[in-house]
Amino acid sequence: DTGVSQNPRHKITKRGQNVTFRCDPISEHNRLYWYRQTLGQGPEFLTYFQNEAQLEKSRLLSDRFSAERPKGSFSTLEIQRTEQGDSAMYLCASSPPQQGETQYFGPGTRLLVL
Amino acid sequence: GDSVTQMEGPVTLSEEAFLTINCTYTATGYPSLFWYVQYPGEGLQLLLKATKADDKGSNKGFEATYRKETTSFHLEKGSVQVSDSAVYFCALSDLVGGSNYKLTFGKGTLLTVNP
Repeated sequence: DTGVSQNPRHKITKRGQNVTFRCDPISEHNRLYWYRQTLGQGPEFLTYFQNEAQLEKSRLLSDRFSAERPKGSFSTLEIQRTEQGDSAMYLCASSPPQQGETQYFGPGTRLLVL
Repeated sequence: GDSVTQMEGPVTLSEEAFLTINCTYTATGYPSLFWYVQYPGEGLQLLLKATKADDKGSNKGFEATYRKETTSFHLEKGSVQVSDSAVYFCALSDLVGGSNYKLTFGKGTLLTVNP
């Protein structure tokens, strides 16, 4: 069990560029979550996958955001036409079938949009 | 909707002092309750959890009891150490749509323990 991993750990981009983040959950965890955390705040839910199906998206997830989990394993989160307000820590979490309420978090990807 | 309110920080204590961080919640269903800890530059680590009323979660000397009558889940530790310095988040998980256990977090409380 190597834990949830996320890449890259840090990303600096210019406004208007597209960025993509990757999350590798713990093996055999069927649920995968994305959250966004801004400075001084708790994480906020963005989206949820059960296996490969995206079952819920928050209203925080504008049309510029898209997430996939093509084979029910790793997931990607893409932001198109980034804005300065997208600057935040993007956290991924996964949970196992037997204990769905317990989520294990990755180290996060810190995005800075200039 | 669901919400979590936790004690605002920062909290500064001397080593071996007693710690309490208050947390109250609002939920429509029967949530599970959690405390997560975030060390500088790292992601969130699960500290402890409780899944039903009157359950006590405990780990590394930290404890919290699920109090349904007061909708609270206060974090306590009898004797803090410098290594406990971190941001602590209270959170609840309420089952949505049959399978989504999305977490709702408080704003976090920064704890600094001085030697």
